[in-house]
Amino acid sequence: GENVEQHPSTLSVQEGDSAVIKCTYSDSASNYFPWYKQELGKGPQLIIDIRSNVGEKKDQRIAVTLNKTAKHFSLHITETQPEDSAVYFCAARSRAGSQGNLIFGKGTKLSVKP
Amino acid sequence: KAGVTQTPRYLIKTRGQQVTLSCSPISGHRSVSWYQQTPGQGLQFLFEYFSETQRNKGNFPGRFSGRQFSNSRSEMNVSTLELGDSALYLCASSPSRDRVGSPLHFGNGTRLTVT
Repeated sequence: GENVEQHPSTLSVQEGDSAVIKCTYSDSASNYFPWYKQELGKGPQLIIDIRSNVGEKKDQRIAVTLNKTAKHFSLHITETQPEDSAVYFCAARSRAGSQGNLIFGKGTKLSVKP
Repeated sequence: KAGVTQTPRYLIKTRGQQVTLSCSPISGHRSVSWYQQTPGQGLQFLFEYFSETQRNKGNFPGRFSGRQFSNSRSEMNVSTLELGDSALYLCASSPSRDRVGSPLHFGNGTRLTVT
């Protein structure tokens, strides 16, 4: 089955710097890769996603890149702000129709210092 | 549009008891999935329901079960609770299950503590 590895587990940056979180997946059939942000006491919130037929996607300060050959994808946050501090999860879905069966990475705790 | 609503937010139970958690999906969403979140194991898929039928099931024992009603609301049940069942249980809804990229929207979860 699918396995998703996420690095680093913790990341501390200064406000204004960039942050990069990387994930690898094992199932070459995976075709959908969302990223979630989870704040304390809340459920994960979808912040950006990418499909396997796209190499990069941007939304303001957030971007995701996908390398299908190497089976890895990354989240890039530019001009980080204190409110970006949260736990970020990557995920992969390998079977169309199995909507609920997202396989998640273990998460990255991002701290942005003012 | 209201988000995914989970009740209750917190539950404390003792070993051996059973518990039922409730989830109301976003209006119009027909797919409901459940996940267990723990510090050690992260987010793990429990099961998915669509049109009142279980479509997928994760690797959890039979003590974990669920159902979906005709209005898409869902419940999950855990019987004979064990200490290791202490976790945040998350419900997520999606508008469909056939289109790749149909996003999952999570609720804020039910925090279950088993003593």
